[in-house]
Amino acid sequence: ELKVEQNPLFLSMQEGKNYTIYCNYSTTSDRLYWYRQDPGKSLESLFVLLSNGAVKQEGRLMASLDTKARLSTLHITAAVHDLSATYFCAVPSRYNNNDMRFGAGTRLTVKP
Amino acid sequence: GAGVSQSPSNKVTEKGKDVELRCDPISGHTALYWYRQSLGQGLEFLIYFQGNSAPDKSGLPSDRFSAERTGGSVSTLTIQRTQQEDSAVYLCASSLAVTSESDEQYFGPGTRLTVT
Repeated sequence: ELKVEQNPLFLSMQEGKNYTIYCNYSTTSDRLYWYRQDPGKSLESLFVLLSNGAVKQEGRLMASLDTKARLSTLHITAAVHDLSATYFCAVPSRYNNNDMRFGAGTRLTVKP
Repeated sequence: GAGVSQSPSNKVTEKGKDVELRCDPISGHTALYWYRQSLGQGLEFLIYFQGNSAPDKSGLPSDRFSAERTGGSVSTLTIQRTQQEDSAVYLCASSLAVTSESDEQYFGPGTRLTVT
C-alpha cells in the first residue's frame, strides 16, 4: 500500500531563514504534487512534478522530485510571514492514478 | 472562470440523520474526486468519478456512504445515519481528465460537517 510521509509535521521558523520540507513515498510513482492550505481554506495547487529530476520554482518556494529515491523536497528561501500555511504533498497510487494519497501535511509558521 | 463549488459550506446535523453534500466541478472537467479531512489531519481519499462512473468505491469508509454523479457534472455525496465520527471537512476536486498528463486536481472550498 502506498504511504506518503512528510517531515517535519510542524515547522516554526524565523523570517529570512531557509528550510526544507521532505516528502517520502513508499511505492513507485513518476508524479508528485504539492499543495498549500491556509487555515479554514481549501487546497491550492503549488507544483506539479511530472518526472525524475523535475524542479519547479515559484517565488520563495522550490520543489524537486527524485523518483529513484522516492523523495520530493519543498525548499523555502528567505521565509516571509505570508508563507505560513500547511503544505501537503500528494502521490498517485501506482495501480490507480486517481487514488491520490496525501501526506499528513507540514504546518509552517513563519515568525517575524 | 468559475472554480469548483460545494454546498452547503457548513452543515450541522443530529446523529442518525442523513446528509447530502453537493459538488459542482469546473466546467469541462471529466474527473471528480471526493476527500475527507478530519480536524488537523491530512486528506483521506474517498472516491473518484470518470464521467458518471465510479470504478472503485473501496475508499468509502462504510456502506452508509454513497456518491453519484449525473450528466458528467454535479456530484452528490450522501451519508446515511450520520455518526459523530463522520464530522469532518469534505472536499471535492476536479481535473481535466483521468488520463491527462498532469491530472492536476482543483479543490473546492469544502463542506464542514458537524454531527451532534
